[in-house]
Parts: sequence; structure tokens; C-alpha cells
Amino acid sequence: EDKVVQSPLSLVVHEGDTVTLNCSYEVTNFRSLLWYKQEKKAPTFLFMLTSSGIEKKSGRLSSILDKKELSSILNITATQTGDSAIYLCAVERYGQNFVFGPGTRLSVLP
Amino acid sequence: GAVVSQHPSRVICKSGTSVKIECRSLDFQATTMFWYRQFPKQSLMLMATSNEGSKATYEQGVEKDKFLINHASLTLSTLTVTSAHPEDSSFYICSAGTGSGGASGEQFFGPGTRLTVL
Repeated sequence: EDKVVQSPLSLVVHEGDTVTLNCSYEVTNFRSLLWYKQEKKAPTFLFMLTSSGIEKKSGRLSSILDKKELSSILNITATQTGDSAIYLCAVERYGQNFVFGPGTRLSVLP
Repeated sequence: GAVVSQHPSRVICKSGTSVKIECRSLDFQATTMFWYRQFPKQSLMLMATSNEGSKATYEQGVEKDKFLINHASLTLSTLTVTSAHPEDSSFYICSAGTGSGGASGEQFFGPGTRLTVL
């Protein structure tokens, strides 16, 4: 059965800290890996990763995929309270559907 | 960016009634849309893939007669929860991609519908 695992499930840090969120997967017909940020309602898109070893960056956030290790990390530097959210990792499979991980709940304290 | 809307945002209904949720892609056409269910403090669970012009593809364990999906046009998919019961209470979210040629591309999520069945 295809699955996506995220760690840690919950994380509390202080503003200014750097965090690394992990996502690993075991899926058939892997197509891409996506990261989302979910605050109060629906998730918002962060990154889509298809190639191994190529870092994607957006402001203080960055992510990279390791297809050999079947994993990805999401880094957030100089965290702010506005970064508090659930970060979801999803793997897209050929056939156009997705498997979501359980999410990492990040709390950034002032 | 692309916008996906959902209606209603919140619905409360009595047990035994049916509820229809609409998902619209406002500024792009989506041959494929996805329906998810999310329980409190849990991740999204894919329910089904909605395909324009053909039958939806349901994930294992999802009752197709309970959750009716219709993809009437390239911009509209509907999820009908039939004979709703309290255990159907949940947050339902749809998403659509802008990709073409078989690529789903970036997925845009609707704002979600909070269903409460009394």
C-alpha cells in the first residue's frame, strides 16, 4: 500500500530558529512530490519537486528531493510566527492522484 | 494564480438528507478534479478523482453510491453526500490542476466545505 510519512508530527520552535521537516514515501508510479502549507482552511501550494537533487527556493523556504532515499526535506530559515501551520507533503502518482502524509504541525513562538 | 471555488462553505443538515457541494475552477479548465475529506487534526484523504465526461474513480473504501460525483463541465464538479449521517460530518475539499497533456501540474485547492450532519 502506498504511503507517505512525515516527521516530526509536531514541532515547537522560537522565532528566528531554522527548521527542517521530513517527508518519506513508498509509492508506485511516483511522479512528483509536493509541499503544502495549511493554516485555517485549504492548503496552499509551496513546491513541486520532480527531479532529485535540485533545490527549489522561495524566500525563507527551500526544498529538495532525494529519489534514491525516497524522501524530501522542507527547510524554513529565520522562522516567524506566521510560519505556524501544518505542512503537508503529498506524492503524486501517474494516474493523476495524490497520497498525502499526516502533516507536521509547526508552532513558532514569539 | 488559478482560483478554485467551493459552495457552500458551510452546511448543516439533518440525518437522512442529501447535500450537494460544488467545486468550480474560475479561470481555467480542469479535466480532472479531486475530492478530499479531512477530519480534525488529520491530513487530507483522497476520496475520488473526478473526470470530465466520464465516471469518477473512487479510492478504496469510499462508497461510490454514498458519495456521488459528477463532473458536468470543464469547470464544475459536484460531490453529493447522499442520505447523510453524523459520521459524514467532515471538511470536504476539492482541488484542480492546470496541467495539460496528462500532467496534473500544480494543484489549486478550493476553500473547503464544512459539513455537519445532525
